[in-house]
Order: sequence, then C-alpha cells, then structure tokens
Amino acid sequence: AQSVTQPDIHITVSEGASLELRCNYSYGATPYLFWYVQSPGQGLQLLLKYFSGDTLVQGIKGFEAEFKRSQSSFNLRKPSVHWSDAAEYFCAVVDSGGGADGLTFGKGTHLIIQP
Amino acid sequence: GAVVSQHPSRVICKSGTSVKIECRSLDFQATTMFWYRQFPKKSLMLMATSNEGSKATYEQGVEKDKFLINHASLTLSTLTVTSAHPEDSSFYICSARRQGINNEQFFGPGTRLTVL
Repeated sequence: AQSVTQPDIHITVSEGASLELRCNYSYGATPYLFWYVQSPGQGLQLLLKYFSGDTLVQGIKGFEAEFKRSQSSFNLRKPSVHWSDAAEYFCAVVDSGGGADGLTFGKGTHLIIQP
Repeated sequence: GAVVSQHPSRVICKSGTSVKIECRSLDFQATTMFWYRQFPKKSLMLMATSNEGSKATYEQGVEKDKFLINHASLTLSTLTVTSAHPEDSSFYICSARRQGINNEQFFGPGTRLTVL
C-alpha cells in the first residue's frame, strides 16, 4: 500500500527565512504528487502538483517543490516565508494509473512563523 | 472555476440522530467524488469513493451502513451519518474529480460535525 511520510510534525521559521518541508512516499510506481495547505478550520488549497515532466514544479504563493525519484521525495520549498504562510501543510499521493483512487495524505506539518 | 461547496459548514446534533452533509461541484461535472475524515491534529483519511449512479466504494474499516453515501447526479454527493455517536464528531471534507483532468481533486471547505 502506498504511504506518505512527513517527518516534521512542527516547524518554526522566522519571517523572511527560507523554508523546506519534507515529504517521502512509498509506492511501487511513480505516483501523482501534491502539496496542500490548510488554514485552521478550513478546507484544503492546492499549492502545486507533479504529474510528469520537469521535476521542479512551481506553485502558488511562491512555493515550489522538487520531485526526486531516487529519494522518493517531494519536498516543498519557499525562499522567504510570510506570516500568512502559518498553516498546516499536507503532502499527498495518488496512483497515476488508478484513475478514481482517492488521495493518501501524510500526517501534515504545522508551520509556525516567528516575527 | 472548479469550486466545490459543502453544506452545512457546521452541525451539532444529538446522539442517535442522523445528519446529512452535501457536497456540490458548482461549475463542473464530477463523476467521482471522495469523502475524507479529519480528526483533530490528524491527517485526512479517505472514507469512501462516490461514483455517480453507482454504489460507493468504502475504505477498509469504514462502516457503509453507518456512513451512507449517495451520488445521485454529476454535481451532488451526500454523506449521511446515521445514528450518530459522539465518536463520529469530526471534520468531514469532500472532494470532486473533474472529468478529463488527471486525478486533480478539488476540495470543499469541510463540515464540522459535533455529536452531543
């Protein structure tokens, strides 16, 4: 079964500093990969996704992520965080050939921004 | 485009009653919708896959008689929590997959269910 690991439960970053959130997946084939952000009590907003092609993908709000097949990773990065980036971040995967399968989510990383 | 709504956003009910949550794709057709459950401080867990015009597919451990899913049209799926118990209290989120788009799901804002 596929699984997603986000090893950092909490991360604290100073405003203006760079950010990297880690995501590793376990799956036999190359899945489709996603990063979502969730503000308190809210639904999910898609930041970016990887299906194929260029392994460095750009998303909204200045985020990017790099797919590294050899490391089974899809880490999320941002060069300079803003206080409004404080939220819960989820990495998710789905079978690229599965068609109708639902997403498998990591446990999330809670991002705290220090002034 | 690709907006998904849920209704209600919050609901409080008594134990033993049933609660219906609606998930609508507002500006696209969705042959497949998904229902997720999120516990406090936890990740989202897929409960079931809802296919228009057919029975839902439930994940292991999810009681299909407890969580009734109906996907009667290409824009509406409903989740009914029957005979609700306090342990059913949770945040329920639906998503809809747009036809022709590779597995990109669009999420609703979620429904907070509290069972007293």
